[in-house]
Amino acid sequence: ETGVTQTPRHLVMGMTNKKSLKCEQHLGHNAMYWYKQSAKKPLELMFVYNFKEQTENNSVPSRFSPECPNSSHLFLHLHTLQPEDSALYLCASSQDLRQETQYFGPGTRLLVL
Amino acid sequence: SQQGEEDPQALSIQEGENATMNCSYKTSINNLQWYRQNSGRGLVHLILIRSNEREKHSGRLRVTLDTSKKSSSLLITASRAADTASYFCATDAYGANNLFFGTGTRLTVIP
Repeated sequence: ETGVTQTPRHLVMGMTNKKSLKCEQHLGHNAMYWYKQSAKKPLELMFVYNFKEQTENNSVPSRFSPECPNSSHLFLHLHTLQPEDSALYLCASSQDLRQETQYFGPGTRLLVL
Repeated sequence: SQQGEEDPQALSIQEGENATMNCSYKTSINNLQWYRQNSGRGLVHLILIRSNEREKHSGRLRVTLDTSKKSSSLLITASRAADTASYFCATDAYGANNLFFGTGTRLTVIP
Protein backbone atom coordinates (compact mmCIF):
# COMPACT_ATOMS: atom_id res chain seq x y z
CA GLU A 1 0.00 0.00 0.00
CA THR A 2 1.38 3.38 -1.01
CA GLY A 3 -1.16 5.49 0.86
CA VAL A 4 -2.87 6.54 -2.38
CA THR A 5 -6.20 4.94 -3.26
CA GLN A 6 -8.16 5.14 -6.48
CA THR A 7 -11.74 4.20 -7.31
CA PRO A 8 -13.08 2.58 -9.30
CA ARG A 9 -10.34 0.14 -10.26
CA HIS A 10 -12.06 -0.72 -13.53
CA LEU A 11 -14.52 1.29 -15.59
CA VAL A 12 -16.30 0.62 -18.86
CA MET A 13 -18.19 3.50 -20.38
CA GLY A 14 -19.83 4.50 -23.60
CA MET A 15 -18.83 7.59 -25.50
CA THR A 16 -21.92 9.47 -24.30
CA ASN A 17 -21.54 8.62 -20.63
CA LYS A 18 -20.33 10.86 -17.83
CA LYS A 19 -18.23 9.29 -15.11
CA SER A 20 -15.71 10.36 -12.48
CA LEU A 21 -12.49 8.89 -11.20
CA LYS A 22 -11.57 9.46 -7.59
CA CYS A 23 -8.19 9.60 -5.93
CA GLU A 24 -7.48 9.98 -2.22
CA GLN A 25 -4.13 10.22 -0.51
CA HIS A 26 -3.57 9.58 3.19
CA LEU A 27 -0.03 10.88 3.31
CA GLY A 28 -0.56 14.55 4.10
CA HIS A 29 0.91 15.54 0.75
CA ASN A 30 0.27 18.87 -0.90
CA ALA A 31 0.77 18.02 -4.57
CA MET A 32 -1.35 15.61 -6.61
CA TYR A 33 -1.09 14.43 -10.20
CA TRP A 34 -3.12 12.68 -12.88
CA TYR A 35 -1.26 10.54 -15.42
CA LYS A 36 -2.45 8.56 -18.42
CA GLN A 37 -0.68 5.32 -19.30
CA SER A 38 -1.31 3.80 -22.71
CA ALA A 39 0.35 0.71 -24.10
CA LYS A 40 3.86 1.25 -25.45
CA LYS A 41 3.84 4.98 -24.62
CA PRO A 42 5.62 6.90 -21.87
CA LEU A 43 3.57 7.88 -18.90
CA GLU A 44 1.73 11.09 -19.87
CA LEU A 45 1.31 13.77 -17.25
CA MET A 46 -2.18 15.28 -17.51
CA PHE A 47 -2.74 17.63 -14.56
CA VAL A 48 -0.86 18.85 -11.52
CA TYR A 49 -2.38 20.37 -8.41
CA ASN A 50 -0.46 22.03 -5.61
CA PHE A 51 -2.32 23.12 -2.46
CA LYS A 52 -5.61 22.56 -4.36
CA GLU A 53 -4.59 24.90 -7.18
CA GLN A 54 -4.01 23.61 -10.67
CA THR A 55 -0.45 24.34 -11.72
CA GLU A 56 -0.27 22.38 -14.93
CA ASN A 57 -2.63 21.30 -17.67
CA ASN A 58 -0.59 19.39 -20.17
CA SER A 59 -2.76 20.23 -23.22
CA VAL A 60 -5.41 17.79 -22.11
CA PRO A 61 -8.70 17.78 -24.09
CA SER A 62 -11.62 19.44 -22.33
CA ARG A 63 -13.51 16.15 -22.16
CA PHE A 64 -11.25 15.51 -19.13
CA SER A 65 -12.07 17.85 -16.26
CA PRO A 66 -10.09 17.67 -13.01
CA GLU A 67 -11.29 18.80 -9.61
CA CYS A 68 -9.34 19.13 -6.40
CA PRO A 69 -11.62 20.09 -3.48
CA ASN A 70 -8.83 19.70 -0.92
CA SER A 71 -5.26 18.50 -0.72
CA SER A 72 -6.31 14.92 -0.02
CA HIS A 73 -8.76 14.38 -2.86
CA LEU A 74 -8.50 14.60 -6.60
CA PHE A 75 -11.17 13.81 -9.16
CA LEU A 76 -11.12 13.37 -12.90
CA HIS A 77 -14.50 13.96 -14.50
CA LEU A 78 -14.98 12.26 -17.84
CA HIS A 79 -17.54 13.09 -20.53
CA THR A 80 -17.98 12.25 -24.21
CA LEU A 81 -14.76 10.28 -24.27
CA GLN A 82 -13.32 8.59 -27.33
CA PRO A 83 -12.14 4.99 -27.69
CA GLU A 84 -8.53 6.22 -27.82
CA ASP A 85 -8.98 7.50 -24.28
CA SER A 86 -8.99 3.90 -23.08
CA ALA A 87 -5.98 3.57 -20.81
CA LEU A 88 -4.79 3.16 -17.24
CA TYR A 89 -5.27 6.41 -15.33
CA LEU A 90 -2.88 6.85 -12.46
CA CYS A 91 -3.04 9.29 -9.60
CA ALA A 92 0.07 10.25 -7.66
CA SER A 93 0.99 12.56 -4.82
CA SER A 94 4.13 14.10 -3.42
CA GLN A 95 4.89 16.10 -0.30
CA ASP A 96 5.38 19.28 -2.30
CA LEU A 97 5.56 20.23 -5.95
CA ARG A 98 9.32 19.96 -5.93
CA GLN A 99 9.39 16.86 -3.74
CA GLU A 100 11.38 14.25 -5.50
CA THR A 101 9.46 11.05 -4.90
CA GLN A 102 5.92 10.49 -6.10
CA TYR A 103 3.57 7.94 -4.59
CA PHE A 104 1.16 6.29 -7.00
CA GLY A 105 -2.26 4.79 -6.61
CA PRO A 106 -3.13 1.44 -8.22
CA GLY A 107 -4.84 3.13 -11.16
CA THR A 108 -8.22 2.96 -12.87
CA ARG A 109 -8.38 0.81 -15.98
CA LEU A 110 -10.74 2.64 -18.32
CA LEU A 111 -12.33 1.16 -21.43
CA VAL A 112 -14.34 3.44 -23.70
CA LEU A 113 -16.66 1.66 -26.08
CA SER B 1 11.74 15.91 -25.00
CA GLN B 2 13.28 15.25 -21.60
CA GLN B 3 11.66 11.85 -21.35
CA GLY B 4 14.00 9.03 -20.57
CA GLU B 5 14.36 6.02 -22.76
CA GLU B 6 14.89 2.63 -21.25
CA ASP B 7 16.85 -0.10 -22.93
CA PRO B 8 16.10 -2.89 -23.57
CA GLN B 9 12.34 -2.69 -24.01
CA ALA B 10 12.02 -6.26 -22.77
CA LEU B 11 14.33 -8.59 -20.91
CA SER B 12 13.87 -12.25 -20.00
CA ILE B 13 16.23 -14.02 -17.60
CA GLN B 14 16.40 -17.09 -15.39
CA GLU B 15 15.86 -16.83 -11.68
CA GLY B 16 19.15 -16.16 -9.91
CA GLU B 17 20.69 -14.24 -12.79
CA ASN B 18 21.36 -10.52 -12.72
CA ALA B 19 19.24 -8.08 -14.71
CA THR B 20 20.58 -4.80 -16.06
CA MET B 21 18.41 -2.04 -17.48
CA ASN B 22 19.60 1.23 -18.92
CA CYS B 23 18.09 4.69 -19.15
CA SER B 24 19.17 7.63 -21.29
CA TYR B 25 17.89 11.17 -21.04
CA LYS B 26 18.44 14.48 -22.78
CA THR B 27 18.78 17.47 -20.47
CA SER B 28 20.46 18.30 -17.17
CA ILE B 29 18.81 16.79 -14.14
CA ASN B 30 18.58 17.24 -10.39
CA ASN B 31 18.09 13.54 -9.84
CA LEU B 32 17.02 10.33 -11.51
CA GLN B 33 14.65 7.78 -10.03
CA TRP B 34 13.70 4.24 -10.80
CA TYR B 35 10.17 2.95 -10.36
CA ARG B 36 8.67 -0.49 -10.66
CA GLN B 37 5.19 -1.37 -11.93
CA ASN B 38 3.50 -4.71 -11.62
CA SER B 39 1.11 -5.47 -14.46
CA GLY B 40 -1.84 -3.07 -14.47
CA ARG B 41 -0.91 -1.51 -11.12
CA GLY B 42 0.57 1.76 -9.94
CA LEU B 43 4.24 2.62 -9.90
CA VAL B 44 6.33 2.06 -6.80
CA HIS B 45 9.42 4.12 -6.09
CA LEU B 46 12.59 2.03 -5.83
CA ILE B 47 15.58 4.32 -5.58
CA LEU B 48 16.71 7.88 -6.23
CA ILE B 49 20.18 8.98 -7.27
CA ARG B 50 21.20 12.62 -7.25
CA SER B 51 23.15 14.31 -10.01
CA ASN B 52 26.26 14.52 -7.82
CA GLU B 53 26.19 10.80 -7.03
CA ARG B 54 27.66 8.08 -9.22
CA GLU B 55 26.41 4.92 -7.57
CA LYS B 56 23.82 3.91 -5.05
CA HIS B 57 22.73 0.62 -3.50
CA SER B 58 19.51 -0.56 -1.93
CA GLY B 59 19.26 -4.24 -1.08
CA ARG B 60 19.63 -6.15 -4.35
CA LEU B 61 19.43 -2.96 -6.38
CA ARG B 62 22.41 -1.05 -7.68
CA VAL B 63 21.99 2.17 -9.62
CA THR B 64 24.69 4.07 -11.46
CA LEU B 65 24.52 7.52 -12.97
CA ASP B 66 26.81 9.02 -15.60
CA THR B 67 25.81 12.64 -16.11
CA SER B 68 28.42 13.14 -18.84
CA LYS B 69 26.70 10.47 -20.91
CA LYS B 70 23.24 11.33 -19.60
CA SER B 71 22.61 7.73 -18.72
CA SER B 72 21.80 5.50 -15.77
CA SER B 73 21.64 1.80 -15.19
CA LEU B 74 19.66 -0.33 -12.77
CA LEU B 75 21.12 -3.67 -11.76
CA ILE B 76 19.01 -6.25 -9.95
CA THR B 77 21.18 -8.99 -8.54
CA ALA B 78 20.11 -12.59 -7.86
CA SER B 79 16.76 -12.03 -9.51
CA ARG B 80 13.58 -13.69 -8.29
CA ALA B 81 10.34 -14.53 -10.05
CA ALA B 82 8.71 -11.80 -7.95
CA ASP B 83 10.94 -9.22 -9.67
CA THR B 84 8.89 -9.70 -12.84
CA ALA B 85 7.53 -6.24 -13.60
CA SER B 86 8.11 -3.14 -15.71
CA TYR B 87 10.84 -0.78 -14.61
CA PHE B 88 10.80 2.94 -15.41
CA CYS B 89 13.34 5.66 -15.00
CA ALA B 90 12.12 9.15 -14.22
CA THR B 91 14.12 12.34 -14.40
CA ASP B 92 13.69 15.48 -12.34
CA ALA B 93 15.01 18.09 -14.73
CA TYR B 94 16.33 21.52 -13.82
CA GLY B 95 13.55 24.09 -13.91
CA ALA B 96 10.78 21.54 -14.21
CA ASN B 97 8.14 20.86 -11.60
CA ASN B 98 7.39 17.37 -12.84
CA LEU B 99 9.02 14.02 -13.35
CA PHE B 100 9.52 12.75 -16.88
CA PHE B 101 9.07 9.02 -17.33
CA GLY B 102 10.34 6.70 -20.02
CA THR B 103 8.52 3.85 -21.73
CA GLY B 104 9.94 1.22 -19.39
CA THR B 105 11.72 -2.11 -19.54
CA ARG B 106 9.55 -5.19 -19.16
CA LEU B 107 11.50 -7.73 -17.06
CA THR B 108 10.45 -11.36 -16.93
CA VAL B 109 12.21 -13.64 -14.46
CA ILE B 110 11.65 -17.30 -15.25
CA PRO B 111 11.50 -19.60 -12.20
